[in-house]
Amino acid sequence: GAVVSQHPSWVICKSGTSVKIECRSLDFQATTMFWYRQFPKQSLMLMATSNEGSKATYEQGVEKDKFLINHASLTLSTLTVTSAHPEDSSFYICSAQNPTTDTQYFGPGTRLTVL
Amino acid sequence: SQQGEEDPQALSIQEGENATMNCSYKTSINNLQWYRQNSGRGLVHLILIRSNEREKHSGRLRVTLDTSKKSSSLLITASRAADTASYFCAPYSGGYQKVTFGTGTKLQVIP
Repeated sequence: GAVVSQHPSWVICKSGTSVKIECRSLDFQATTMFWYRQFPKQSLMLMATSNEGSKATYEQGVEKDKFLINHASLTLSTLTVTSAHPEDSSFYICSAQNPTTDTQYFGPGTRLTVL
Repeated sequence: SQQGEEDPQALSIQEGENATMNCSYKTSINNLQWYRQNSGRGLVHLILIRSNEREKHSGRLRVTLDTSKKSSSLLITASRAADTASYFCAPYSGGYQKVTFGTGTKLQVIP
């Protein structure tokens, strides 16, 4: 069964609002989680690495003030898209690192549509 | 970071035929996973193969791994229309290394 969950699975919001997406590791404690974004007909692009108890590391070109990441516990990382705009409409996917098995598991994704 | 590259980019077959897609990666891995993504939907985990394994089966899926060639293949036997999707490989090097995805193989199974 799934070991990483995301909530919500889809969300529609108005331009200018903020949206929070949760990523949970269900079977293990994950000190490290990763956030990806996928635009239509494109591959998944890594946005940032989320580390429990410390600041996230963002990939080049990803605005850290726009995409706020909070990894407050060993089983939960959140991605908040602030002041969302239509161009932020995308598929957001997280992965969680199981340190015991040294394996990454991917969540099912969250589809964000900004009107 | 570790990146997987899938090949071919697109594959179209008749229902009942077998589909084979390949994944190549650059550096040594701890394990490699295959995922399916239906159009507009999330990732579905298919199978994980560890670096010390050469072949693994799950239902109609067969995955092989050749670490000397840094490649993996995914075989779907007796394909069905419902197998129509994009397939991605995720090679993982261990030690919290980042995984970078390729463009995937887009499989179309014609009824």
